[in-house]
Amino acid sequence: AQKVTQAQTEISVVEKEDVTLDCVYETRDTTYYLFWYKQPPSGELVFLIRRNSFDEQNEISGRYSWNFQKSTSSFNFTITASQVVDSAVYFCALTSNSGYSTLTFGKGTMLLVSP
Amino acid sequence: EADIYQTPRYLVIGTGKKITLECSQTMGHDKMYWYQQDPGMELHLIHYSYGVNSTEKGDLSSESTVSRIRTEHFPLTLESARPSHTSQYLCASSGVGHEETQYFGPGTRLLVL
Repeated sequence: AQKVTQAQTEISVVEKEDVTLDCVYETRDTTYYLFWYKQPPSGELVFLIRRNSFDEQNEISGRYSWNFQKSTSSFNFTITASQVVDSAVYFCALTSNSGYSTLTFGKGTMLLVSP
Repeated sequence: EADIYQTPRYLVIGTGKKITLECSQTMGHDKMYWYQQDPGMELHLIHYSYGVNSTEKGDLSSESTVSRIRTEHFPLTLESARPSHTSQYLCASSGVGHEETQYFGPGTRLLVL
């Protein structure tokens, strides 16, 4: 069975602070894919990144960066110099090559960035 | 950029009414999904489809039903709405590979009185 744990239910920061959202996953598959989605107050889920299990390179996109470590089964997401517009719920998710490959989501982390 | 649409965006309806939530995508994706999201944020997969005439129940038992007669269309129906159905419903679609990203629609917020 697959599992994604986002231990941080809610994080509050002040604008311009850096913040890291944690994601720990469990899977027995050797090939799998990890995702991060952002859900702003308007409600839609916005895709941010996909990473496959064979690519452990960290990724940076503007103020966003992702740290994938297979050794600790973690796929953490860092926002540098946070802004009020970053306030949202962030979901980490996992799928694999086995079975019907539906997405397993974590329970989400609500990020509140205050001015 | 994904092109997936859901209507209505908001719906307030009385108990016992039949409702259909619409979901359409213009990307030619074979796979489509319905998620229910409770106020506590957690997402639950309630239905999915791997193509025309294919539908499967998800992880969370749901009293809703779905159909997939056309590739681009995946409507969800509640025969008799109840207050316990109050939730946000999110539709998604993806390509056929295991690695394919799911793209989500804007969601339907349903309130059953």
